[in-house]
Amino acid sequence: DQQVKQNSPSLSVQEGRISILNCDYTNSMFDYFLWYKKYPAEGPTFLISISSIKDKNEDGRFTVFLNKSAKHLSLHIVPSQPGDSAVYFCAASGNAGKSTFGDGTTLTVKP
Amino acid sequence: DSGVTQTPKHLITATGQRVTLRCSPRSGDLSVYWYQQSLDQGLQFLIQYYNGEERAKGNILERFSAQQFPDLHSELNLSSLELGDSALYFCASSALGSNEKLFFGSGTQLSVL
Repeated sequence: DQQVKQNSPSLSVQEGRISILNCDYTNSMFDYFLWYKKYPAEGPTFLISISSIKDKNEDGRFTVFLNKSAKHLSLHIVPSQPGDSAVYFCAASGNAGKSTFGDGTTLTVKP
Repeated sequence: DSGVTQTPKHLITATGQRVTLRCSPRSGDLSVYWYQQSLDQGLQFLIQYYNGEERAKGNILERFSAQQFPDLHSELNLSSLELGDSALYFCASSALGSNEKLFFGSGTQLSVL
């Protein structure tokens, strides 16, 4: 039973346009959500997070939206840049401490 | 540089063997996590330690074990290795061990032949 799902394995966008990556979760005990970015041959690096008491968090070009009723979150990247090309992982955690990850979405930003 | 150090970076071994993966967390972090990433799959949580104590356990096989030492470094032991154990093993650390971002090492690529 996969508790965090990223249904799109890949996404391709043009440079300068918006990238929208989606993530769904099933466990209502999750109360903290994170996005990580991963380049080849490197470990994931933290990008942005959101607590369940909020529905939006912004950091520069990156915005995460949380819809608790739908158990859905999304990451918006505006404008997209070629350097944003990477694998993006959605993760969720609760009081248990551990973070549960989705399978990742490979984003390709074309110049 | 995340501050998390994993050794070795690559490991090639044969079926039936035993290996040990090592992780040094970021300075000051008390919690260590181990994740497994098989080919084209997500990060599967294996186990978490907090200040030397096991805190959470995922789908870790009985052939696998881990520990966190008093100096907070951690080791993941994989025994009776099978071909299917070939994967990228990541260690991550965090300060408190709950609802916070993780800092990942660059991983150990294990190949079982």
